[in-house]
Amino acid sequence: EIVLTQSPATLSLSPGERATLSCRASQSVSNYLAWYQQKPGQAPRLLIYDASNRATGIPARFSGSGSGTDFTLTISSLEPEDFAVYYCQQRSDWLFTFGPGTKVDIK
Amino acid sequence: QITLKESGPTLVKPTQTLTLTCSFSGFSLTTSGVGVGWVRQPPGKAPEFVGYIYWDDDKRYSSSLKSRLTITKDTSKNQVVLIMTNMDPVDTATYYCVHASRSSAWNMDVWGQGTTVTVSS
Repeated sequence: EIVLTQSPATLSLSPGERATLSCRASQSVSNYLAWYQQKPGQAPRLLIYDASNRATGIPARFSGSGSGTDFTLTISSLEPEDFAVYYCQQRSDWLFTFGPGTKVDIK
Repeated sequence: QITLKESGPTLVKPTQTLTLTCSFSGFSLTTSGVGVGWVRQPPGKAPEFVGYIYWDDDKRYSSSLKSRLTITKDTSKNQVVLIMTNMDPVDTATYYCVHASRSSAWNMDVWGQGTTVTVSS
């Protein structure tokens, strides 16, 4: 089973700052990597799929990059509503696994 | 607008069987390139894939849960049912019903509100 690790575990930033979140896979997942945002008490929301494609309705400040084993989610300028937990998720052989998450909180 | 809603028991006893129903609207599970699945999330932990059922009745189950799972669909009712046998306290989680499609590369692009299931005697 492919294992995903995310770093850092917590990222403390101020509104307007740039956020860079990392996700690493234990083996290549090609570009089959997605990112989700989850706020307290809510279901996760798909942000990015296939490493770099924004899902419907996702603002342009969210971008994804990477392939193989190393991936990055970038939030260009944090808005107050962006403080949340972010999960990466891979798809291989039609099965899915999630990373442990990165919490982006207010500094 | 696609919506999904989970229903079922909030409390089950160890060794019992859990049955959850996902009722959805805004799409048909007879349409090519569509799937409905289940994802669960234990308190304070990351989400965990449970399984998917696709428009063509193909199914994919989590490797670790496969022996305990059955997912079925009733296209006339727009419902998907999850059956999980031999429940254990470690299965305590919020269970989400999710929509997936070829257009989002089979990722979970719409989520239900979730239903909390506690396993305890």
